[in-house]
Amino acid sequence: SQQGEEDPQALSIQEGENATMNCSYKTSINNLQWYRQNSGRGLVHLILIRSNEREKHSGRLRVTLDTSKKSSSLLITASRAADTASYFCATDDPTGGGNKLTFGTGTQLKVEL
Amino acid sequence: GAGVSQSPSNKVTEKGKDVELRCDPISGHTALYWYRQRLGQGLEFLIYFQGNSAPDKSGLPSDRFSAERTGESVSTLTIQRTQQEDSAVYLCASSSVGRRGRETQYFGPGTRLLVL
Repeated sequence: SQQGEEDPQALSIQEGENATMNCSYKTSINNLQWYRQNSGRGLVHLILIRSNEREKHSGRLRVTLDTSKKSSSLLITASRAADTASYFCATDDPTGGGNKLTFGTGTQLKVEL
Repeated sequence: GAGVSQSPSNKVTEKGKDVELRCDPISGHTALYWYRQRLGQGLEFLIYFQGNSAPDKSGLPSDRFSAERTGESVSTLTIQRTQQEDSAVYLCASSSVGRRGRETQYFGPGTRLLVL
């Protein structure tokens, strides 16, 4: 099963509204990252939150992390049509070697005008 | 500088044929990753290269899949005797070396493989 699982699977909102996506994971982590993917192609890194952090901001993005619940949320405020994309959380494996990331199944966000 | 590049961008092949996918990482990035993404799904880790260390092949789904990397540059992912279930987008990413788990992975645009 996926280490990271996002919900909802799909989200449709109006421009200007806020979008919230959630991610749950199963094992311990060092960090959790959020990535964005347009049109099924390459992913773009959005933000990284460390396991000892609870909240982080970057522009219109706000990420929270609750290690006791093994969950994270990504909030996009004042959404724009250009935010339409798939969003994935990714967790590292502190017990394994290297920097292998495990990605969730993603949330498809559609922002309508 | 230039990002991660992959070629070809699209590949259509017949079942049973071999295919070779190429990835050029960002110059100076010692870590290189291959992922597979089936339609509407998340990314599945395939293989990871880090410098001269033995690659982490734990994600390769079968012995039909193999990958090589020349030093800290180009990597090729080879799929032998392709099957229809191999149809997917194959994504390559690279990252620099730093504190474990904190390196951003930079992704290429992917190769979309269709096995008929």
